[in-house]
Amino acid sequence: GEKVEQHQSTLSVREGDSAVINCTYTDTASSYFPWYKQEAGKSLHFVIDIRSNVDRKQSQRLTVLLDKKAKRFSLHITATQPEDSAIYFCAAKMDSNYQLIWGSGTKLIIKP
Amino acid sequence: DPKIIQKPKYLVAVTGSEKILICEQYLGHNAMYWYRQSAKKPLEFMFSYSYQKLMDNQTASSRFQPQSSKKNHLDLQITALKPDDSATYFCASSQDPGTDTLYFGAGTRLSVL
Repeated sequence: GEKVEQHQSTLSVREGDSAVINCTYTDTASSYFPWYKQEAGKSLHFVIDIRSNVDRKQSQRLTVLLDKKAKRFSLHITATQPEDSAIYFCAAKMDSNYQLIWGSGTKLIIKP
Repeated sequence: DPKIIQKPKYLVAVTGSEKILICEQYLGHNAMYWYRQSAKKPLEFMFSYSYQKLMDNQTASSRFQPQSSKKNHLDLQITALKPDDSATYFCASSQDPGTDTLYFGAGTRLSVL
């Protein structure tokens, strides 16, 4: 079945710099790729998503890139701020399936 | 105001006992889910329900039983608790099954001694 991997368990960047979090997936039939954020001690909430009919989507400081050939997608955060510190989870889903397959999470640390 | 209410926030149980985790959503959604998050497996899908019917079950153990008395309720009954069941259990919902954005509750942190 589908497998989603986040190879960076932790990413540390200086405040104001950009951060890039990468994910890979295995099933070429996956068509929906969301990102969720979990701040310390809190629940998850939706951040941004991308569908397989586009290769780029931007929302303010966040951009998601999708490379279907490489089966890779990434979350780019520009001008990082302390409130961006959190664990970011990527996920993937096929149209024919109800279930999201989740990555293991990347802890983003914003250093002052 | 939280739109997905999970009760209790914290729960301590003894091995072998039974507990029920409560979830109610007030978003008008038709699909509800349970996820588990522990140190061993960061986020693990357990169940999905739509219109009070089970859509998908990825939990191998029958000790975990979802219960849906109303469309906006999806409780989780766990029997014969084991220390390995210790985790945070998140309830989530979406407009419809397969509708993409999930909304999560605050979670119930379960510790089994």
